[in-house]
Amino acid sequence: EAQVTQNPRYLITVTGKKLTVTCSQNMNHEYMSWYRQDPGLGLRQIYYSMNVEVTDKGDVPEGYKVSRKEKRNFPLILESPSPNQTSLYFCASSKPGGSVDTQYFGPGTRLTVL
Amino acid sequence: AQSVTQLGSHVSVSEGALVLLRCNYSSSVPPYLFWYVQYPNQGLQLLLKYTTGATLVKGINGFEAEFKKSETSFHLTKPSAHMSDAAEYFCAVSESDSWGKLQFGAGTQVVVTP
Repeated sequence: EAQVTQNPRYLITVTGKKLTVTCSQNMNHEYMSWYRQDPGLGLRQIYYSMNVEVTDKGDVPEGYKVSRKEKRNFPLILESPSPNQTSLYFCASSKPGGSVDTQYFGPGTRLTVL
Repeated sequence: AQSVTQLGSHVSVSEGALVLLRCNYSSSVPPYLFWYVQYPNQGLQLLLKYTTGATLVKGINGFEAEFKKSETSFHLTKPSAHMSDAAEYFCAVSESDSWGKLQFGAGTQVVVTP
């Protein structure tokens, strides 16, 4: 089954404790991206990657890091989380130029930073 | 720089009535435009997209959208609302066909009443 998986789905942590949210896709997609969703703000892009070892900043990259060492994985790293990073996070993948059904979002990770 | 404005954060529609969700964008280059739907506690699903060619785009679940360059709009419509259409809808714009830097609107919550 074609899918994007994220782990963990729910996470409560404390300020300053490094954490990683994993994202993996099984569709051999070149493009992957991370978003955060906050009420009234919609989704804001954090980072995206056009292919292995190619990443670029989205609109809200501060406080986040990413890496793309393998095509299937695109982890999101919070080196020193702060309460303003409490949010719902989505990973997505796609094949550039594909048809309407080739954009996939993961189920989301709800992060709370105390 | 690109941006997206969705008019109306909440829309209530009767079952069987027309659904109209408004989206206006700004972009310095020809845009690529998207509509996504998010059902409760789920990730986003691509409804339809406009890249080039025909300005009336048909998507899944009976939705369609029309790209109007002169009005910088990409409104989403469905002739007859169904209870299952209750969800949050997001308009998004990108300046590349690979959906690299994707900008989302704040979202419109649709409520369908019997």
